[in-house]
Amino acid sequence: QSALTQPPSASGSPGESVTISCTGTSSDVGGYDYVSWYQQHPGKAPKVMIYEVSKRPSGVPDRFSGSKSGNTASLTVSGLQAEDEADYYCSSYAGSNNPLYVFGTGTKVTVL
Amino acid sequence: EVHLVESGGGLIQPGGSLRLSCAASGFTVSTNYMSWVRQAPGKGLEWVSVVYSGGNTYYADSVKGRFTISRDNSKNTLFLQMNSLRAEDTAVYYCARDGGGLELDVWGQGTTVTVSS
Repeated sequence: QSALTQPPSASGSPGESVTISCTGTSSDVGGYDYVSWYQQHPGKAPKVMIYEVSKRPSGVPDRFSGSKSGNTASLTVSGLQAEDEADYYCSSYAGSNNPLYVFGTGTKVTVL
Repeated sequence: EVHLVESGGGLIQPGGSLRLSCAASGFTVSTNYMSWVRQAPGKGLEWVSVVYSGGNTYYADSVKGRFTISRDNSKNTLFLQMNSLRAEDTAVYYCARDGGGLELDVWGQGTTVTVSS
C-alpha cells in the first residue's frame, strides 16, 4: 500500500483560499468515505481538522472544508490566517488487508 | 478533558529493545481503537500498529514480528514493545485514539526513539 500523493507545498496570502489535493486509488480514497485531514505545526502533534471526507470536529473553524471526487480528496482553507501555516496530511482507510490508516505525503502550507 | 502522555523513548543501539507507554486520562483505552503512529525526522506520518476494543491487533509490514502493541486496562495505559530495533525505526512515536470515523482525534505529545550505535 503506497502513501497517498499530495503536493509538497501550497501557499496563499492572508484572506485568500488554498486547496490541497490528496490522490489515491479506488482501493483507498475512491473506495471509502473515510478520508481525514491533519494539521501539524513544527514540533507539535498532528490535529484532526476533517474526518469522513467533509465533517469538522468540534472547535475546528468552518474555514476548513473537505471534499472528494473519485480517487482525489481535497482540503480547502478559506480566509487564510497566519496560524494556518503548517504541514497538512491526508489519511484514508484502505480496506481490511492494508494498514488501518494510509497517510499522504504531506503538504507544507505557507501564508505569504 | 481527554489526554494522552507517552513515555519510554530514548537512545538505543541497533538490535536493542525499548518499551513505550501511553497513559490515558479522560476516557477508557479498552473501549477505543488505539494506535501508534511514528514520524521519522523530517518525514511524514506512518501508522505503526492498532489494538481494537475487542483486543485484535494489527501491524504495519515494516514492524510486523518485531513490535507488539498491548494495553493494561487497570492502568488505562497503552504500550508498544519494540524489539530488534533498526536505524530506520528512529522517529517520534505518537499514541492516538480513533474517534470512531477512522480518524485519530486525540494524540499524545510524542516520545522520541533514536536507534544508533
